[in-house]
Amino acid sequence: AQSVSQHNHHVILSEAASLELGCNYSYGGTVNLFWYVQYPGQHLQLLLKYFSGDPLVKGIKGFEAEFIKSKFSFNLRKPSVQWSDTAEYFCAVNPTSGGSYIPTFGRGTSLIVHP
Amino acid sequence: DGGITQSPKYLFRKEGQNVTLSCEQNLNHDAMYWYRQDPGQGLRLIYYSQIVNDFQKGDIAEGYSVSREKKESFPLTVTSAQKNPTAFYLCASKGTSSGANVLTFGAGSRLTVL
Repeated sequence: AQSVSQHNHHVILSEAASLELGCNYSYGGTVNLFWYVQYPGQHLQLLLKYFSGDPLVKGIKGFEAEFIKSKFSFNLRKPSVQWSDTAEYFCAVNPTSGGSYIPTFGRGTSLIVHP
Repeated sequence: DGGITQSPKYLFRKEGQNVTLSCEQNLNHDAMYWYRQDPGQGLRLIYYSQIVNDFQKGDIAEGYSVSREKKESFPLTVTSAQKNPTAFYLCASKGTSSGANVLTFGAGSRLTVL
């Protein structure tokens, strides 16, 4: 079974600082990769996804993530964070083989951005 | 607007009582999921259903039960056998069209056992 590891559980930044959240997964085959975000009081929603092609994917609100297959990583980045980026961020992976769609989520990273 | 409706939003229960959380979707999605969210533990899969009248256990199914009698509905029952039921419960669904490998989530139900 696949697993997902998010290295940073709590991150505190000031506005305009750069952000990088680590995500590694363990699975030997082809995967779809996701970052979901949960803003305070809101639904969990998709931030960005990687299915195939260009390993650098761009999502909403200026976020991007790079898939590095050799490192089994899918780190999330943003050059300059805003107070409104305060949220919990979840990395998820789903193998593309096997027929079932059962995403596995990481433990999440709580990001607090100070104004 | 299409989406997923979970109810109730907050629920309090005494120990030893069963409780059922509702999840309804009008997205015409085939697959539905129940996750449990605890601080520092992320989302853990309780049950999932790929199609009506069929469902499978996830990683933490003990003490829970589900049914999938209609495509739109996937209720979760937290039984008295669940040893630590206080948590935030999230329902999700997924369509089957090309490029639809993304989960849509409901707003969640927060269960507190007194």
